[in-house]
Amino acid sequence: SQQGEEDPQALSIQEGENATMNCSYKTSINNLQWYRQNSGRGLVHLILIRSNEREKHSGRLRVTLDTSKKSSSLLITASRAADTASYFCATAGTALIFGKGTTLSVSS
Amino acid sequence: GAGVSQSPSNKVTEKGKDVELRCDPISGHTALYWYRQSLGQGLEFLIYFQGNSAPDKSGLPSDRFSAERTGGSVSTLTIQRTQQEDSAVYLCASSLNRALATEAFFGQGTRLTVV
Repeated sequence: SQQGEEDPQALSIQEGENATMNCSYKTSINNLQWYRQNSGRGLVHLILIRSNEREKHSGRLRVTLDTSKKSSSLLITASRAADTASYFCATAGTALIFGKGTTLSVSS
Repeated sequence: GAGVSQSPSNKVTEKGKDVELRCDPISGHTALYWYRQSLGQGLEFLIYFQGNSAPDKSGLPSDRFSAERTGGSVSTLTIQRTQQEDSAVYLCASSLNRALATEAFFGQGTRLTVV
């Protein structure tokens, strides 16, 4: 079963713009993680935010977590064509469960 | 090895045959996960191994699917009597410790095609 649900399913922006993706989940979690996938193969971990944290930054990435609303957002600032990929949130509870992902397309 | 290794990279099999997919996790990682991803879809959780604990098999779609992890390291996912709907990329991941408190490292997956 999939717990996380990303929104939007697809996002197209121009280079230099910011991209925001949202994730909603249903049950309690230990932490929430964001991953990136290129070309439908292996995923790469981007950032982890613990359930007692509200915001976290890593380079051009900013993640927020609202446990009362069971939601998280991933912001990519100053996007680049190389950011084109699928982005998934994953909730860590009794297992690591992924959502369906947001496909981001950044055009130059 | 330096990363999670999966073999084979690609597997084409005839409907009704059994297949085995292999995953070599990063040395020292106690947690191992298997996922299935159909074209353009998200990751479907299959099974989760954590150390010597009983695996979480709640995601296995049918009794044709099974997985083992020998010696706390290598894992094999077996699909018996394959069907066309089993066609997908099967992804394996491992992480350092329990409680899912650290990032998972993924292999490049096995693309299974059932014809």
